Amino acid sequence: GEDVEQSLFLSVREGDSSVINCTYTDSSSTYLYWYKQEPGAGLQLLTYIFSNMDMKQDQRLTVLLNKKDKHLSLRIADTQTGDSAIYFCAEGRTDSWGKLQFGAGTQVVVTP
Amino acid sequence: DADVTQTPRNRITKTGKRIMLECSQTKGHDRMYWYRQDPGLGLRLIYYSFDVKDINKGEISDGYSVSRQAQAKFSLSLESAIPNQTALYFCATSEADNEQFFGPGTRLTVL
Repeated sequence: GEDVEQSLFLSVREGDSSVINCTYTDSSSTYLYWYKQEPGAGLQLLTYIFSNMDMKQDQRLTVLLNKKDKHLSLRIADTQTGDSAIYFCAEGRTDSWGKLQFGAGTQVVVTP
Repeated sequence: DADVTQTPRNRITKTGKRIMLECSQTKGHDRMYWYRQDPGLGLRLIYYSFDVKDINKGEISDGYSVSRQAQAKFSLSLESAIPNQTALYFCATSEADNEQFFGPGTRLTVL
């Protein structure tokens, strides 16, 4: 996923907020997704944002999109130990017929 | 029951062997995908299929082939496995340009 970049690791204390960042390159992206992968499991969709939106909130999750800078972030409020996982950013492009371009994933470790 | 299943979940094989990984889905989706996951590289698309008669190469199709036996089944084959194909393989499905649903993955080790 060289066109979608993420930092590889984030350590956060339980109860704090986590912010995971992602940059992408294709300005024609329509949807931007956040997937979560728990150990030994497949990817599960956490949330997504349409490219004409700036922000989306869903319970403890807040997605911010800065189209000018092609920057996407995922904020997890009140981070819990169950939030420890790998988080993938992915972009869906208008010309990609449903294919997604994934970032390398950010390993989030929540410490007590 | 899981909507997207993969078999086997783990496989160890030797260089040169032929391997088939299978994926089945009960979601009724037309689109199916095969990805491989390598540490630090995220998921890379191997092949995708938009219906039974449509098969397309992804970004890393060399050394792999696929078969779409039915709407619900999409198999990935390694004709002659090599060690750098050691990875975690995921199948996914989607309906049109929407969310992709992933299987639990197959961990393949080629010795």
